[in-house]
Amino acid sequence: GDSVTQMEGPVTLSEEAFLTINCTYTATGYPSLFWYVQYPGEGLQLLLKATKADDKGSNKGFEATYRKETTSFHLEKGSVQVSDSAVYFCALSDLGADKLIFGTGTRLQVFP
Amino acid sequence: DTEVTQTPKHLVMGMTNKKSLKCEQHMGHRAMYWYKQKAKKPPELMFVYSYEKLSINESVPSRFSPECPNSSLLNLHLHALQPEDSALYLCASSPRAGTNEKLFFGSGTQLSVL
Repeated sequence: GDSVTQMEGPVTLSEEAFLTINCTYTATGYPSLFWYVQYPGEGLQLLLKATKADDKGSNKGFEATYRKETTSFHLEKGSVQVSDSAVYFCALSDLGADKLIFGTGTRLQVFP
Repeated sequence: DTEVTQTPKHLVMGMTNKKSLKCEQHMGHRAMYWYKQKAKKPPELMFVYSYEKLSINESVPSRFSPECPNSSLLNLHLHALQPEDSALYLCASSPRAGTNEKLFFGSGTQLSVL
């Protein structure tokens, strides 16, 4: 079945450092890909998405490109802030499906 | 209003109790979802309602009973839960089923079963 694999955390960075969180997926079709962020004690917020190969999703300085050839959707940010500290989930959904399949999540800790 | 509101935020219950979780949205969405998230784990889909009808039940035990009384409300009735059911229960909505790219999540109800 479809699945998502994320790098294990925690990822610990100093403020203004470059961030990469790796995400790869396995899917039989052509899924949509998502990054969600979860701040402590809160629900999930959609950070960005991409619905087809070579699409780049971006939001709040975060970017991810849908790479079909490497089945990847890595999250990047050029300069992280303390306020970016959260858990980041990569997820996929088949076209027209109701189910989001999440990766295990990666905790990001940013220190001043 | 782009919010999904869940109440209560926290709930502690015994294994013989009956309680309900509530979820509300006023975005005109016609699909609503329950997800369960255990500590340090990803969310897992439990139920999907489409146009107030149950469309997906991910083999959830019958001690969890969902209800969608109207297009804005979604309940999850809990009865005879086990300690392993302790988790964050997340509600979500989207304009219609199959539109995960427009999914909105609530902040969740943190449930502890003693």
